[in-house]
Amino acid sequence: DTGVSQNPRHKITKRGQNVTFRCDPISEHNRLYWYRQTLGQGPEFLTYFQNEAQLEKSRLLSDRFSAERPKGSFSTLEIQRTEQGDSAMYLCASSPLAQETQYFGPGTRLLVL
Amino acid sequence: QKEVEQDPGPLSVPEGAIVSLNCTYSNSAFQYFMWYRQYSRKGPELLMYTYSSGNKEDGRFTAQVDKSSKYISLFIRDSQPSDSATYLCAPRAGANNLFFGTGTRLTVIP
Repeated sequence: DTGVSQNPRHKITKRGQNVTFRCDPISEHNRLYWYRQTLGQGPEFLTYFQNEAQLEKSRLLSDRFSAERPKGSFSTLEIQRTEQGDSAMYLCASSPLAQETQYFGPGTRLLVL
Repeated sequence: QKEVEQDPGPLSVPEGAIVSLNCTYSNSAFQYFMWYRQYSRKGPELLMYTYSSGNKEDGRFTAQVDKSSKYISLFIRDSQPSDSATYLCAPRAGANNLFFGTGTRLTVIP
């Protein structure tokens, strides 16, 4: 399967714990995006990388959230000191440099108890 | 005011019906207009997109954009039970992030 992959698919954690999600984009896609989707809502943009450079961050991305994309390949999204309001589906998407289409992964569903 | 407004539905139609899904937006900088389909507990998958105003047809699906009224539409002809999903409009400005509507949940009844 050459699509976008995300791990883990599901994560249950207790409030206050740290969690880390991984996204592997489609090979040779330079752009990588993170979105968050809560129940009954559309995805909301969190942050975006072009290669290893993080070019844009939404104000939704509080200082408890950090994303990295070392070497411009896979990306990780870490949430520190999780809160119940962080419970959501975290989606990763990638796109080629010169095109407009973003391809989404299956998402990581986070539940904070 | 949200960047993109979309009626969340739910919308139920009989098999074979024509479905009309709509969004309005406020940002004049939007140039690309995507429609994604999302099945329950899955990531969104791209159905089709248009650039600027106009129509685009792909099989049973037709996307329309009217930039003068900031109105986006997706029509599904001869709807099938397999079309049952949530449909998300997602415009964007240039090669930047997408702005999603809330999504319209569609059920096609056999």
